[in-house]
Amino acid sequence: DGGITQSPKYLFRKEGQNVTLSCEQNLNHDAMYWYRQDPGQGLRLIYYSQIVNDFQKGDIAEGYSVSREKKESFPLTVTSAQKNPTAFYLCAAEDRLNTEAFFGQGTRLTVV
Amino acid sequence: AQSVTQPDIHITVSEGASLELRCNYSYGATPYLFWYVQSPGQGLQLLLKYFSGDTLVQGIKGFEAEFKRSQSSFNLRKPSVHWSDAAEYFCAVGEDDKIIFGKGTRLHILP
Repeated sequence: DGGITQSPKYLFRKEGQNVTLSCEQNLNHDAMYWYRQDPGQGLRLIYYSQIVNDFQKGDIAEGYSVSREKKESFPLTVTSAQKNPTAFYLCAAEDRLNTEAFFGQGTRLTVV
Repeated sequence: AQSVTQPDIHITVSEGASLELRCNYSYGATPYLFWYVQSPGQGLQLLLKYFSGDTLVQGIKGFEAEFKRSQSSFNLRKPSVHWSDAAEYFCAVGEDDKIIFGKGTRLHILP
């Protein structure tokens, strides 16, 4: 089954702990994105990557880190420096030729 | 920097009525424009997109959108809504290497 897989769907962590959200794609798309969604805020871009071993900060990168060691994978680490990490996180992959982004089902992170 | 404005946070329409969701963007050149739909707790699904050519774009689920350069708008329309259309709708603009989203419009359907 092709697409974007985010895991887990729900994640709970204690305050002060780092946590890594998984995003895997089998669409062979070059570009991948991480967005954060909060009620009434829409989707805000955290990080994006256009190619393996390269990534750029989005609008709200502080307190987050990413890696892009493989084309299929773009994990997001929410660090203890992120002041308000509880949110819904969405990963996407984009076919640059058609400029169409495909989204995963999201991970809801709750930090207590 | 590009921006996307969806002026309506919530819209309520009766089942069977027509729908128009507004979207305005700021961008110097001809933009890539998108409409996505999101059901609660789910990812986003592309409804339609505009790159160039015909300014009236047809999408899935009976939706269409019209690009109006003079008004910097890309409004989404559907002639007759169904209860299953209740969801959140996002307008988006494609910049050189990223996609910028509006804050969304939540659509409520009255029976």
